[in-house]
Amino acid sequence: EAGVAQSPRYKIIEKRQSVAFWCNPISGHATLYWYQQILGQGPKLLIQFQNNGVVDDSQLPKDRFSAERLKGVDSTLKIQPAKLEDSAVYLCASSLERTPGAYTFGSGTRLTVV
Amino acid sequence: ILNVEQSPQSLHVQEGDSTNFTCSFPSSNFYALHWYRWETAKSPEALFVMTLNGDEKKKGRISATLNTKEGYSYLYIKGSQPEDSATYLCAFIRHSGYALNFGKGTSLLVTP
Repeated sequence: EAGVAQSPRYKIIEKRQSVAFWCNPISGHATLYWYQQILGQGPKLLIQFQNNGVVDDSQLPKDRFSAERLKGVDSTLKIQPAKLEDSAVYLCASSLERTPGAYTFGSGTRLTVV
Repeated sequence: ILNVEQSPQSLHVQEGDSTNFTCSFPSSNFYALHWYRWETAKSPEALFVMTLNGDEKKKGRISATLNTKEGYSYLYIKGSQPEDSATYLCAFIRHSGYALNFGKGTSLLVTP
């Protein structure tokens, strides 16, 4: 089966600019996650979607981050405006609904804010 | 936010050495524990999904055990090879429908 697709792979922007990341999950996976992994830390959940509804966005900095999952398939994550501390790898993952099974991750987008 | 602790933070071994890592997690409301292997510039790859106390799983030279009552899991690599070099992430799910909570990972470097 095709994996989780993410784009772009790398992005360098200046602080206060905007950036958007795109994710296409595994076909049939109802649940989609965006994680932020800052160097030296473990991945941190930003937002979890179930189909096109938000399940958990408690750790999403909503003053600058937004995410949507149109039609319960693709998802975009946006940062506006970016700060230096947003430099991280942004991972998208998907999983089947309500099972303990493994997530399938994309390769991530490495964002550098200068 | 649930604390998942992994140790050691990093490890450097010689080819052929056996290694083990520890993951500790909250023992209450346990649902599942995952181990992932993450190589630089690649996707994290699932190694094991463990749900039952006492679970032991094996995949080639890599194995894992789970103790949900005391809240820990061990990952073992027998006869480490340079291609085992990666970050090994442990993650815990509290309840069905909740997301994975990750530890910081253990960075393994195996040199010939």
